Amino acid sequence: NAGVTQTPKFRVLKTGQSMTLLCAQDMNHEYMYWYRQDPGMGLRLIHYSVGEGTTAKGEVPDGYNVSRLKKQNFLLGLESAAPSQTSVYFCASSYSVGGEWTEAFFGQGTRLTVV
Amino acid sequence: GENVEQHPSTLSVQEGDSAVIKCTYSDSASNYFPWYKQELGKRPQLIIDIRSNVGEKKDQRIAVTLNKTAKHFSLHITETQPEDSAVYFCAASNTGFQKLVFGTGTRLLVSP
Repeated sequence: NAGVTQTPKFRVLKTGQSMTLLCAQDMNHEYMYWYRQDPGMGLRLIHYSVGEGTTAKGEVPDGYNVSRLKKQNFLLGLESAAPSQTSVYFCASSYSVGGEWTEAFFGQGTRLTVV
Repeated sequence: GENVEQHPSTLSVQEGDSAVIKCTYSDSASNYFPWYKQELGKRPQLIIDIRSNVGEKKDQRIAVTLNKTAKHFSLHITETQPEDSAVYFCAASNTGFQKLVFGTGTRLLVSP
């Protein structure tokens, strides 16, 4: 049972390049999230998904796209990377029981630098 | 949408002292309030959480209190130890929105 796994762990991109971050969870969780973490700004929600085939925008969605074609995977895409997207990206998953929230489990993070 | 404010941004205490971190939230419909601990270079991990039908919850040296009327909740750590040094995040969630909104974090430093 690996929990939440992110690929890759580190990446350096040139401005204008594109890339996809992969998040995989093996806990059969319904909800999945992508956050970015910047110094002094906490964890800000980029996009999230409440089930296979559904996605929604979070607080800072501009410049990112997501897809959830399979329940266990949540992909985050950067179409044209900008230096402002230099950050640490965290994926998380969660589920509810009887309508009650439960713990969100985080991946190990991806450190992305855009030069 | 929900907005969570967290104070202080940094907190330095001596080993054995108590530490208190406070958060306020804006959406009165929020009903789940977790606290996460993040050690340097690691992922955030849940340390305690509280739901809106409870005013206080305790787990050994850690406790969380919730005041729904004032829309604020606090993390209390007693008998702090150097290994408590980390960044702590509060968060709030509304089941209807199915997403978690985080505060900006508190860097806690416990000196021996």
